[in-house]
Amino acid sequence: DIQMTQSPSSLSASVGDRVTITCRASQGIRHDLGWYQQKPGKAPKRLIYAASSLQSGVPSRFSGSGSGTEFTLTISSLQPEDFATYYCLQHTTYPFTFGPGTKVDIK
Amino acid sequence: VQLVESGGNLVQPGGSLRLSCAASGFTFSDHYMEWVRQAPGKGLEWVGRARDKANGYTTEYAASVKGRFTISRDDSKNSLYLQMNSLKTDDTAVYYCTRSDSSGSVGAFDSWGQGTMVTVSS
Repeated sequence: DIQMTQSPSSLSASVGDRVTITCRASQGIRHDLGWYQQKPGKAPKRLIYAASSLQSGVPSRFSGSGSGTEFTLTISSLQPEDFATYYCLQHTTYPFTFGPGTKVDIK
Repeated sequence: VQLVESGGNLVQPGGSLRLSCAASGFTFSDHYMEWVRQAPGKGLEWVGRARDKANGYTTEYAASVKGRFTISRDDSKNSLYLQMNSLKTDDTAVYYCTRSDSSGSVGAFDSWGQGTMVTVSS
């Protein structure tokens, strides 16, 4: 199975901060990676697909990059509604696997 | 796009449960569909996939559920199902259905239902 790791596991940040979350795959997954935001009690919401493509309707402060085994999600200027948990997902090889999540909370 | 799960309940270990996911707002028959679960306070876990008719309605499963869970679909009813047998306490989770397609990343896990809670406990 492909193992997905995320760093950091949690972070505290202020409104307006630039935030970067890293996701690493235990083997190459090309660009078959998505980023998801989940707020408490809610379903996950896709932010980024194909590693770097912005989901329609998602603010442009979110961006993704990377390929192969290392990927990043960047929030250029953190907004109050961005405090949530973020997950990466690889869907190139079965079983599909999620990263363990990165919780972003208010500093 | 709307996905609405139902069927979650409290069930005893060793029991069975069938979850449903009603889809609307898109051509259900053209899409792969997935089940993903989340145990209380934990991360997301992919459960399995149902491909579309063009790809033989074939399925894939996570090792943790293979042989116990069965995914099926009824395109005439725009519905996805998850039959869960031999349930274990570790299967306690919110179960989400999500939409994908055969094109790869563009359509992968792009829309999600609100989830339905399954509790396995004596």
